[in-house]
Amino acid sequence: TQLLEQSPQFLSIQEGENLTVYCNSSSVFSSLQWYRQEPGEGPVLLVTVVTGGEVKKLKRLTFQFGDARKDSSLHITAAQPGDTGLYLCAGGPRYKLTFGKGTLLTVNP
Amino acid sequence: DAGVIQSPRHEVTEMGQEVTLRCKPISGHNSLFWYRQTMMRGLELLIYFNNNVPIDDSGMPEDRFSAKMPNASFSTLKIQPSEPRDSAVYFCASEGTDSYEQYFGPGTRLTVT
Repeated sequence: TQLLEQSPQFLSIQEGENLTVYCNSSSVFSSLQWYRQEPGEGPVLLVTVVTGGEVKKLKRLTFQFGDARKDSSLHITAAQPGDTGLYLCAGGPRYKLTFGKGTLLTVNP
Repeated sequence: DAGVIQSPRHEVTEMGQEVTLRCKPISGHNSLFWYRQTMMRGLELLIYFNNNVPIDDSGMPEDRFSAKMPNASFSTLKIQPSEPRDSAVYFCASEGTDSYEQYFGPGTRLTVT
C-alpha cells in the first residue's frame, strides 16, 4: 500500500496570511490529486497533477508536483475564511486511490 | 444534476443491530465507490463497483460488511451485526468513464453505541 503523509495536521492562521501544506510519500505516483472537504460534506476535487515538476494554479491556490513524483505541495496566497476546510491529497491507481489524513486549515477573520 | 445522494445522513444504532446505508450515484456514472472516514485512519476505500459489478472489495474490513449494486442507480452498504468500532462517516462516490474525478456524496455519519 502506498502511504501519503500530510503536514501539518492542523493549521490555524489569520485572514490574509500565506500558507503551504505538504503531501509526502516514499512511493512514486503517476499522479496526485488534491481535495477540499468542508464540515458535513464530502471531499471535492481541486486539481490533478500528473507530470513531475508540474505547477498548477487555481486562483489563489498553487499546486506543485515534485520532480520525482513522490511529493506535492499546496500554497495558498492571502488566505480567506472561505478557504477553511480539510485538505486531502490522494494518489494511486485510478480506481484505488489512497488518501492522506489531511491538513485541517482554519482561517480566522 | 443532483449529485451523489446518500441516506440516511445520520444513523444511531445499538451494537448488534443491522445497518443499511444507501447511495444513488450521478446518472450516467458507471463507477461507484464506498469509503469510510475516521480521525484515526482517515479516508479509506472499502469497495469499488464498475458497471454494477464489484471489482475490488479488499478494503472491506470483515465479513460483517457487505455491499450490493442491484442497478446503475442504487447501491447499499450493510453492516450486520454492527459494533462500536464501526462508528465513522461513510461516503459514496461515483465517477464517469471519461473523467478522472470522483464525486462524493455528503456522507452518512454512523454512531454505534
